[in-house]
Amino acid sequence: QKEVEQDPGPLSVPEGAIVSLNCTYSNSAFQYFMWYRQYSRKGPELLMYTYSSGNKEDGRFTAQVDKSSKYISLFIRDSQPSDSATYLCAMSAATDSWGKLQFGAGTQVVVTP
Amino acid sequence: DTEVTQTPKHLVMGMTNKKSLKCEQHMGHRAMYWYKQKAKKPPELMFVYSYEKLSINESVPSRFSPECPNSSLLNLHLHALQPEDSALYLCASSQVQGSRGNTIYFGEGSWLTVV
Repeated sequence: QKEVEQDPGPLSVPEGAIVSLNCTYSNSAFQYFMWYRQYSRKGPELLMYTYSSGNKEDGRFTAQVDKSSKYISLFIRDSQPSDSATYLCAMSAATDSWGKLQFGAGTQVVVTP
Repeated sequence: DTEVTQTPKHLVMGMTNKKSLKCEQHMGHRAMYWYKQKAKKPPELMFVYSYEKLSINESVPSRFSPECPNSSLLNLHLHALQPEDSALYLCASSQVQGSRGNTIYFGEGSWLTVV
């Protein structure tokens, strides 16, 4: 079993819809959670970073962490065609050396006009 | 735009060639990383430098040789690569390795094709 599970998609939504992405994990030591957006043939771009259970909002993006369920989510409101990309969740334990991020497989999102 | 700059963006090399990938950051970060990413896969950690010293080598073959000349620069020297080494090579940086609350920023990557 992988430490981080993420549905690879593709997830297709119409423009203006809410995009809902999630990852589950098995290592209870994970404390830091990140979401990256990666456009085709580009490097990952950090979208959200959280380290506690609850919600964090930044513009159209909301990240949720539920440590009791080992489940994290990313919501994108009012989705645009420019949001079409692969979204990677990543996480790390406090005891790990930073840089050893555990990534999910990445979910490909397609927003259709 | 990312503040981690990688050159070249694209590189094609033969299996007997020697080439280098370069990375530069001016955010004052003291930890720098090389990741490798194959198509439709997540990035995989290769090396970590902390305060210009190699702190993590994820059992990478010796045909990949990292170098950190100073706190802003990171190189990856390539020699005698195999076609299966073709991938996107990502440089990343963070404030300090091992501290809580750090976030890791990636460059745009260098696309490497080995022929």
